[in-house]
Amino acid sequence: DQQVKQNSPSLSVQEGRISILNCDYTNSMFDYFLWYKKYPAEGPTFLISISSIKDKNEDGRFTVFLNKSAKHLSLHIVPSQPGDSAVYFCAAKTPTSGTYKYIFGTGTRLKVLA
Amino acid sequence: DAGITQSPRYKITETGRQVTLMCHQTWSHSYMFWYRQDLGHGLRLIYYSAAADITDKGEVPDGYVVSRSKTENFPLTLESATRSQTSVYFCASSGTGGRSSYEQYFGPGTRLTVT
Repeated sequence: DQQVKQNSPSLSVQEGRISILNCDYTNSMFDYFLWYKKYPAEGPTFLISISSIKDKNEDGRFTVFLNKSAKHLSLHIVPSQPGDSAVYFCAAKTPTSGTYKYIFGTGTRLKVLA
Repeated sequence: DAGITQSPRYKITETGRQVTLMCHQTWSHSYMFWYRQDLGHGLRLIYYSAAADITDKGEVPDGYVVSRSKTENFPLTLESATRSQTSVYFCASSGTGGRSSYEQYFGPGTRLTVT
């Protein structure tokens, strides 16, 4: 049972426009959410995160929105650049009672067209 | 250098052989994780460790063994490799709370091929 879902395997966007990547989750107990970017032949790199007590976090061109009632988060990239072309993973952290772990989505491949 | 490293970066082995993938981090992070990445499955958790001598199973632990005698090292062993274990393996580490310490940092990956 996939607890974290990224339903769009791929997305193409024109350079300069907004990219919106979506992620849905099923477990309301997740308390922290993260986005990662992955280039081919490299490890995922941390991009931005948000605590479950917030609904928005912004870092430069990247903004993450969290809608807890809908169990949905999204990553907005504005403006999109060709260097943003990569696979993006969302991840959810289980609550820290004892130990914690992360559950990842299956990823969305973003292609930014010049 | 500070960071998280994995070795080897590439490995080809035969079915039935034992293989150990190494992971080393220099941040003194409490938590370490092993994932495998396969097409259509994203990143799946194999095993994780909250501290030295504390390990726990993830989503896909069968066929793998881990140990963590030192905080900085978290080796992953395939006791008898099978073709279904052909994958890219990523090690990661993270902290235990406080500002930004739930950020998880990944190594560069090990591409393993089992023939």
